[in-house]
Amino acid sequence: KQEVTQIPAALSVPEGENLVLNCSFTDSAIYNLQWFRQDPGKGLTSLLLIQSSQREQTSGRLNASLDKSSGRSTLYIAASQPGDSATYLCAVHGNKLVFGAGTILRVKS
Amino acid sequence: DAGVIQSPRHEVTEMGQEVTLRCKPISGHNSLFWYRQTMMRGLELLIYFNNNVPIDDSGMPEDRFSAKMPNASFSTLKIQPSEPRDSAVYFCASSLLDHEQYFGPGTRLTVT
Repeated sequence: KQEVTQIPAALSVPEGENLVLNCSFTDSAIYNLQWFRQDPGKGLTSLLLIQSSQREQTSGRLNASLDKSSGRSTLYIAASQPGDSATYLCAVHGNKLVFGAGTILRVKS
Repeated sequence: DAGVIQSPRHEVTEMGQEVTLRCKPISGHNSLFWYRQTMMRGLELLIYFNNNVPIDDSGMPEDRFSAKMPNASFSTLKIQPSEPRDSAVYFCASSLLDHEQYFGPGTRLTVT
């Protein structure tokens, strides 16, 4: 059974800081890995999707990496802004999408 | 495209009542997913459809839950009878094959 763990559970940083969110998974037989953002009381917004054959994806200030063999992914956020404050969820796609519990990020101005 | 559309956005009902949640996926997407999110259990997949056919309903908690997809542009999740422990946010998502999943805004269900 696939298990997805996200570390840290919560993170508070000053504006402008670069940060890394971590995701680990137990079964490396995956099709892809997706990072989402969820604002309080809202739905999920897809940020990046990495196919199993890829090592990383970039979108603006976001960079996600994938090391399938070790069961790890990281989401790097450069020059963080208060608007980045949200919960970030990692989801691994094997025979179905399995989500981690998320990292609650707060960027202080 | 308007994205995935869900209705209602909020539902408050009494225990024992029937609840029907609705979803319109993104046009052209052939996979549709129903999820439930709670503080205790996080996001859980309840059921997903591929080309309107239910593929995996192993996440449906009990027989009180049922889901249908009569056509490519509409799906329902029904709870009958509802119980207080069903209170959660229910999300619908759609995708094209195994590509990115796009989520709707969710339906916040409260069963009193």
